[in-house]
Amino acid sequence: GAVVSQHPSWVICKSGTSVKIECRSLDFQATTMFWYRQFPKQSLMLMATSNEGSKATYEQGVEKDKFLINHASLTLSTLTVTSAHPEDSSFYICSARDVTDEKLFFGSGTQLSVL
Amino acid sequence: AQSVSQHNHHVILSEAASLELGCNYSYGGTVNLFWYVQYPGQHLQLLLKYFSGDPLVKGIKGFEAEFIKSKFSFNLRKPSVQWSDTAEYFCAVNYLNTDKLIFGTGTRLQVFP
Repeated sequence: GAVVSQHPSWVICKSGTSVKIECRSLDFQATTMFWYRQFPKQSLMLMATSNEGSKATYEQGVEKDKFLINHASLTLSTLTVTSAHPEDSSFYICSARDVTDEKLFFGSGTQLSVL
Repeated sequence: AQSVSQHNHHVILSEAASLELGCNYSYGGTVNLFWYVQYPGQHLQLLLKYFSGDPLVKGIKGFEAEFIKSKFSFNLRKPSVQWSDTAEYFCAVNYLNTDKLIFGTGTRLQVFP
């Protein structure tokens, strides 16, 4: 089946640094990708919708200058957490929508720990 | 506000027991409904979905779910669970006037042999 590769799977960084997370659709094209974050024992919360070739749409309360999203091609979206702080520590998951059949596939997630 | 609630946070069953996980969503117009499963150490996978038609939906691995419009519910069922069903289960709703999936908080299922 279709595969979404998310990298890295886990990252530890110092407070104040920036971290980039990649989301790739390996065998299909995705004009739309979604970024979620999940706190322990909580649901996945949609952060933003990433559209190829245009600006991302952010959910209310999500700082677009802090969580930079770039969707430069039909197979790659990146999320950059800028000037990370401990409260940004979370599990980030991306999903990609196949343009041919609208099916949604999820990446394996990235555990971010900010010290 | 559009929301999804899963009533059971943690369910523990023995193999061969029957399973029903609750999922309710708030009114917000026409919806598409999904159940996803996340096995330990793996990514989210689609179990089943409802778009229209027969409200009783069959999914993979013997799972089924019933859409009851009057109750705003989409409960997941399996007549006889197996140890390999141990996982986290998420109900999700796509309100058709938006492009988003809204997830429930998830239910952790543990099945003991």
